[in-house]
Amino acid sequence: SAVISQKPSRDICQRGTSLTIQCQVDSQVTMMFWYRQQPGQSLTLIATANQGSEATYESGFVIDKFPISRPNLTFSTLTVSNMSPEDSSIYLCSLGGGENTEAFFGQGTRLTVV
Amino acid sequence: DQQVKQNSPSLSVQEGRISILNCDYTNSMFDYFLWYKKYPAEGPTFLISISSIKDKNEDGRFTVFLNKSAKHLSLHIVPSQPGDSAVYFCAASEETSGSRLTFGEGTQLTVNP
Repeated sequence: SAVISQKPSRDICQRGTSLTIQCQVDSQVTMMFWYRQQPGQSLTLIATANQGSEATYESGFVIDKFPISRPNLTFSTLTVSNMSPEDSSIYLCSLGGGENTEAFFGQGTRLTVV
Repeated sequence: DQQVKQNSPSLSVQEGRISILNCDYTNSMFDYFLWYKKYPAEGPTFLISISSIKDKNEDGRFTVFLNKSAKHLSLHIVPSQPGDSAVYFCAASEETSGSRLTFGEGTQLTVNP
């Protein structure tokens, strides 16, 4: 399986600022996704990162708050904009091989907003 | 609307015994189901999956059972080992969604030596 590198692994940020999380894969992958895990809760899909076009967002998530880039098949970024303490979560990059195949996850970025 | 539910937030078993983790779903369009294990400060690690055309899939100590009529699946770990202690997530996807997953809330499994 592909190796996923996610940076930073953790950060503490001031409210009102923005943080960009990077996800680098060691091989070309078709599908990349961004998830969020709020404290004590499950993983929730934020969006599908589409290569060369705008990301596809899930209900409850908008581009202004979570802009995503996917310039090529090995790299994506997620920005958490204008952060508030409610954005404190683990953010995870994942990639999948297509229909009915397992998704693999990066190690996650633990974000704390103070 | 929680489409995938794991009603037991925690489970404690003795080493060597069987661990059974349960998961229920409501979306009849789900046709692929997965279990992930997650340690603190790490991303989820894929364990085992099952397609809706099957009712059982086995991989070493891990077996997943699917009951489509009841919209229920379970993960059996036997024998359980202390290293199995982690949070286990059930996940599901629809045929046309690729690897977009809907997760349950997770069950914290503790295997006592």
